[in-house]
Amino acid sequence: SQQGEEDPQALSIQEGENATMNCSYKTSINNLQWYRQNSGRGLVHLILIRSNEREKHSGRLRVTLDTSKKSSSLLITASRAADTASYFCATDGGMFSGGYNKLIFGAGTRLAVHP
Amino acid sequence: DTEVTQTPKHLVMGMTNKKSLKCEQHMGHRAMYWYKQKAKKPPELMFVYSYEKLSINESVPSRFSPECPNSSLLNLHLHALQPEDSALYLCASSQVDRGTYEQYFGPGTRLTVT
Repeated sequence: SQQGEEDPQALSIQEGENATMNCSYKTSINNLQWYRQNSGRGLVHLILIRSNEREKHSGRLRVTLDTSKKSSSLLITASRAADTASYFCATDGGMFSGGYNKLIFGAGTRLAVHP
Repeated sequence: DTEVTQTPKHLVMGMTNKKSLKCEQHMGHRAMYWYKQKAKKPPELMFVYSYEKLSINESVPSRFSPECPNSSLLNLHLHALQPEDSALYLCASSQVDRGTYEQYFGPGTRLTVT
């Protein structure tokens, strides 16, 4: 079942602009992850933020988490054409099953960065 | 080596065929996953293996049969598939511990059922 909802569904920007994607989820979580998927390929992990963290940075990426609102945002600064991809948030739904992660993915945001 | 490999990259099969998808990782991960992804949709979990034992089967039809021969390999055996099973099949692996870790994904197998 799908827990995360993302908006916008699609985002089109120019190179150099910032891109912001939002994710909302329904149940409590232990952590939230963001993944990127280039067209028709595997997913690449970008960043993991734990439920007791509010903000995390990795290079041009900034992720925030608001557990009171059950929402997260991913900001990509100074975007490049190579950032064109689909971006998914994924939560563990607060579940821990003794040794593996059952990730629940949001619907994803398709980002297009134009040169 | 932080790579998950999948073979084949593309597969076209008829509804009466039997085929297998293969996945391999050498990161020492003891959890391995199969996902199915339709176009413009998020990945949907199918199966989870933890320490080579099937831990989760997300009510997947029996025409999909997973197998984990050892800690590095994961197979998905396909038989009597339907056209609606056409999709990108993704394999992933992760650490196993008290906590959540990132999953490492392979490039996927693009399956077309005719």
